[in-house]
Amino acid sequence: DGGITQSPKYLFRKEGQNVTLSCEQNLNHDAMYWYRQDPGQGLRLIYYSQIVNDFQKGDIAEGYSVSREKKESFPLTVTSAQKNPTAFYLCASNGGADTGELFFGEGSRLTVL
Amino acid sequence: DAKTTQPPSMDCAEGRAANLPCNHSTISGNEYVYWYRQIHSQGPQYIIHGLKNNETNEMASLIITEDRKSSTLILPHATLRDTAVYYCIVRVYGTGRRALTFGSGTRLQVQP
Repeated sequence: DGGITQSPKYLFRKEGQNVTLSCEQNLNHDAMYWYRQDPGQGLRLIYYSQIVNDFQKGDIAEGYSVSREKKESFPLTVTSAQKNPTAFYLCASNGGADTGELFFGEGSRLTVL
Repeated sequence: DAKTTQPPSMDCAEGRAANLPCNHSTISGNEYVYWYRQIHSQGPQYIIHGLKNNETNEMASLIITEDRKSSTLILPHATLRDTAVYYCIVRVYGTGRRALTFGSGTRLQVQP
């Protein structure tokens, strides 16, 4: 089935460690996005990529990095520079028609101990 | 993109219609209204979108006022599985895959 797969679903890390969250899609979508969600809050945009080998910062990019070497993959690295990394991370994509219809993965919940 | 205002929470009885309002008084002529919902600890799910005409699909109906300054998402027969946070978003259609901006939404609790 087509969709977006995020892994891992739950992740624990110690302070000072970098961690990479995986996002893979088989929808043949050009655009991919990373959002962060804190408890009781809406989604905030971290990074987005409209095409392979290109990406732009969102509203809260500090302390995060991404790459887009393949169309189907858009991994997010949470670096030790991110001061409050504990959150729910969501990856999304949409197709070339830019309908505003985003397809989301199931999310990755990161907890920093 | 225009700002939207939604009530923070609403209750609805199971089997009854759930009417979720959204105010977007600064919407411009080329901006669409989108609705998404997010069930607890899952990714948001697209529901419906519209420009000025009322829209209906298998999930819901979208009613947009004539002046387009507000809209209502209608779930005609709410079930317990419709308990979720509902987001109303306004954005220009076809603008090069820019990301959507999600506010805090309305938390709908469907009561048995």
